[in-house]
Amino acid sequence: SQQGEEDPQALSIQEGENATMNCSYKTSINNLQWYRQNSGRGLVHLILIRSNEREKHSGRLRVTLDTSKKSSSLLITASRAADTASYFCATGLYNFNKFYFGSGTKLNVKP
Amino acid sequence: DAGITQSPRHKVTETGTPVTLRCHQTENHRYMYWYRQDPGHGLRLIHYSYGVKDTDKGEVSDGYSVSRSKTEDFLLTLESATSSQTSVYFCAISEKQENYGYTFGSGTRLTVV
Repeated sequence: SQQGEEDPQALSIQEGENATMNCSYKTSINNLQWYRQNSGRGLVHLILIRSNEREKHSGRLRVTLDTSKKSSSLLITASRAADTASYFCATGLYNFNKFYFGSGTKLNVKP
Repeated sequence: DAGITQSPRHKVTETGTPVTLRCHQTENHRYMYWYRQDPGHGLRLIHYSYGVKDTDKGEVSDGYSVSRSKTEDFLLTLESATSSQTSVYFCAISEKQENYGYTFGSGTRLTVV
């Protein structure tokens, strides 16, 4: 399976701290995406990083990609209670136009 | 979610009955997808479509069929519902996957009793 796997499965931090989640995958990819899911809701796209990129920023989000290790990390800086959600990585091969999701990291930010 | 609607939002059905879930988009996106989400499994791709009448199987397609007769609608049918198909089903749309992510619907919670 090409499925990405997130680590840790659950993470609990205090508001203001940074949160780091990791994603590992098995096969070569064209790009990797991160999504957030609030309880009972659909997934929301956060950021996409292409295989030829090493780092990307969007607001308080920083994503890195290491294709040699087949891994990615999502860093949320200065976390807020509103960041409490599950975070998923999704890996995809361009030619097939479909993404494979991992099981997610459940982040709890305590106020 | 803007531009994509799933119906129904909740459904309880009996084992052995056929069930159809609907995904409707107003974005005119080419690609549409059906995923199921189960605890411990994340999201798994059931079927996807890359155009009207063009569909293909995902990783968990057994027991499911799809149809796309027009750009805006993508139907998922459980031919004979089983308890193992109790899940939350998400539809997603995408225009050009290499530049943009998916836009997801709000999901359909299906319970097969």
